[in-house]
Amino acid sequence: EAGVVQSPRYKIIEKKQPVAFWCNPISGHNTLYWYLQNLGQGPELLIRYENEEAVDDSQLPKDRFSAERLKGVDSTLKIQPAELGDSAVYLCASSLDLGTQYFGPGTRLTVL
Amino acid sequence: QKEVEQDPGPLSVPEGAIVSLNCTYSNSAFQYFMWYRQYSRKGPELLMYTYSSGNKEDGRFTAQVDKSSKYISLFIRDSQPSDSATYLCAMSGAGANNLFFGTGTRLTVIP
Repeated sequence: EAGVVQSPRYKIIEKKQPVAFWCNPISGHNTLYWYLQNLGQGPELLIRYENEEAVDDSQLPKDRFSAERLKGVDSTLKIQPAELGDSAVYLCASSLDLGTQYFGPGTRLTVL
Repeated sequence: QKEVEQDPGPLSVPEGAIVSLNCTYSNSAFQYFMWYRQYSRKGPELLMYTYSSGNKEDGRFTAQVDKSSKYISLFIRDSQPSDSATYLCAMSGAGANNLFFGTGTRLTVIP
């Protein structure tokens, strides 16, 4: 069974540019999470979806970050405009309801 | 103060050693406790999952939870070079939804 798929794996952009990350969860998983992982830190939740509804986006910086999960399957996380401090790994995870979370490999973002 | 505290290490041990990894937490509402292993440039993968207090064993791995002390541990017996990774503790409340992670401990097992 395929795991959580994320793309791109690596992205380098200049500050003030927009960037988007894509996630395809494990088939049948209705809950999807986006996490931010800074170097030397544990992942921190940005947003959680149950099907197509964002049920917890309290940690998402809404001035520059946005996310969507159309049709309750794939999800996209966008940053516009990117800042130097956004350099990090963006992890996507999925679960069946509120069960075990399975993580993708992440997208490593570098903002120059 | 962070809700979950974990010594970031790094920790280096010889092959075959017993490894002890620990986390403390402050939120008494946490009921689900997990250990994730993260290899370099990979996503975290679930290693052990424990509900409430007690011990759980899986092969060379043992997870312990002491809710009265707000302290959890992961023991690795007969450590192998393939165990070299970052180990993240994580925990969540009654809904088992949002996970709160420690900073991770970087472990190196030397052949």
